[in-house]
This record gives sequence, C-alpha cells and structure tokens, in this order.
Amino acid sequence: AQSVTQLDSHVSVSEGTPVLLRCNYSSSYSPSLFWYVQHPNKGLQLLLKYTSAATLVKGINGFEAEFKKSETSFHLTKPSAHMSDAAEYFCVVTYSSNTGKLIFGQGTTLQVKP
Amino acid sequence: DTEVTQTPKHLVMGMTNKKSLKCEQHMGHRAMYWYKQKAKKPPELMFVYSYEKLSINESVPSRFSPECPNSSLLNLHLHALQPEDSALYLCASSQQGREGTEAFFGQGTRLTVV
Repeated sequence: AQSVTQLDSHVSVSEGTPVLLRCNYSSSYSPSLFWYVQHPNKGLQLLLKYTSAATLVKGINGFEAEFKKSETSFHLTKPSAHMSDAAEYFCVVTYSSNTGKLIFGQGTTLQVKP
Repeated sequence: DTEVTQTPKHLVMGMTNKKSLKCEQHMGHRAMYWYKQKAKKPPELMFVYSYEKLSINESVPSRFSPECPNSSLLNLHLHALQPEDSALYLCASSQQGREGTEAFFGQGTRLTVV
C-alpha cells in the first residue's frame, strides 16, 4: 500500500536554530511529493513540491527539501527557525496512477521556543 | 487568483438541521475535493469530483451529500449530523491528471454539531 511516514510527531527548536522534519514514503511508483503547513484553524498552504526535476527543492519562507530515492525520504529543512514557523506540517505524496489522490503523513507539530 | 474560498467560516448546527457548506475556485481546476479534519490529525478524504462528476466517495455516510453544480463550485449538504461529525471541513482543488500538480486548499469551515 502507498504510504507516507513522518518520523516525528513533535519537534521543538529554539528560534534561530535549524529545523529538520523527517518524511519517508513507500516506493511503489514514481511519486510526487509535497510539504504543506497548517497554522491553527487554517487551511493547508503549500511550502514546496518535488516532481522528478531537481532533487533539492526550494520553497517559501526559507524552507527546502531534498528528495533521496535511495532512502525513500523527503526531509524538510530550514537553516534558522522563526517564531512564525510554529505550526503543523504535513508530508504528502501522490502517484500518477491514483488519479491525484493525496496521501498524508500523520503530521509533525513544530514548536519554536524564544 | 490562486484562492479556494469556503463559506461559512464557522457553523453551529443542531442534529435535526439541514445546512450546506460552499466552496468556490476560479483557477480552472477540474478536480475538487472535500476533506474532513479532526484535531491533531491529517485531513481525511471524503469525496472527489473530476470534471463535475463524483469519482471517489470514501464510504462517507449518506448524511453528507456532495454536489458540484459547475466547474467552479462545490457544495456539501449536511443533514441529521451527529456530534462526532464536528470537525474542520476543507475544500481543495487541483489540475487533476497532471503529474505533480498540487492541491490548493481553502481556509475551511469549522463545524460544530450540538
């Protein structure tokens, strides 16, 4: 079955320190991978996406992610956390075979301490 | 315009009421989705419309009835809901059928069933 695993349910960092949110996916077919962010009681906003072009993907707000096929991973990073980055982050995968259905990871809550 | 607009933002309804949630997009997307999201959980897919036809129903109870009047609008009709149906309901749209196309999400309707 196609699946996405976010390895940490909760990550806490200090403001100004690096952020790493980990995501692994199942490798049945060629995936398209996304990271979304959700602030409390809001919808989901796309941070970045991977679609078989460059393996290092840059997104909004200083986030980037690297697609590693050998590790079936798509980890999200940011060099320096800001208080406004505190939110829920979802790693999402779609496969060209499944009519665009999104498969969500369980989410990672990012806490940023002053 | 890259917005998906949902109305209302908040809704409180009794278990005998009938209400509707509305969603609108003007990006020319031909796939539209309804998701249900409980607190601290990822969104769960309810329905997918492709070219204004229902293509996926994830075994949703019949008290939820989707409707797609045209390519820009998506409704979710609610009747005889239960308190456990209280959740954030998210609408999304995408250019279905193209590899790597992301979904755009609305801000959601916070539904409370009393």
